[in-house]
Amino acid sequence: DAGITQSPRYKITETGRQVTLMCHQTWSHSYMFWYRQDLGHGLRLIYYSAAADITDKGEVPDGYVVSRSKTENFPLTLESATRSQTSVYFCASSVRQGVTEAFFGQGTRLTVV
Amino acid sequence: KNQVEQSPQSLIILEGKNCTLQCNYTVSPFSNLRWYKQDTGRGPVSLTIMTFSENTKSNGRYTATLDADTKQSSLHITASQLSDSASYICVVSAGLASGTYKYIFGTGTRLKVLA
Repeated sequence: DAGITQSPRYKITETGRQVTLMCHQTWSHSYMFWYRQDLGHGLRLIYYSAAADITDKGEVPDGYVVSRSKTENFPLTLESATRSQTSVYFCASSVRQGVTEAFFGQGTRLTVV
Repeated sequence: KNQVEQSPQSLIILEGKNCTLQCNYTVSPFSNLRWYKQDTGRGPVSLTIMTFSENTKSNGRYTATLDADTKQSSLHITASQLSDSASYICVVSAGLASGTYKYIFGTGTRLKVLA
């Protein structure tokens, strides 16, 4: 399917577990982003990537790890999940930064118990 | 401090009516301003993107305005439909000296359209 897809859509995990959220895009966009969305906050950038093997921290990177070995995939790993990481996570992609449209996935709702 | 503030937080209108959502920002250096629509349980979808030189941009029944002097933007929805029920998010981007961009998201306005 064309577009940007995230998996899983819903995930419940226990405190201290490692969990990986997947993001896949079919457009060969250079830029990919991970955001979290919490009540009372706007979307906050966790990490972004300008190209394969190039990643950089965003606003709230602590407790998260990313990799980008292939242009189309940008997984986000919570190394040791905490309750404060309960959130809705969105992946996005764009051709480049600046005045270009960013396309978002449908989100992953993660609950850490 | 870079900030984007949206008002109202929530809004209820009757189908067929018009409404206007507000976005005030203190972001520097300003690059562009976007409005997104986010349906419940879905990712945001872009409605408009405006640069410094653009005052108005339309996308169907959605019209966004930008006043770069007062650092205000509005999103006007004409002849609302039930499908307009969603959150509308204002995003302002700052162009950094490194050549990258910083995106500052508002918390959104939740619109409910009633039949």
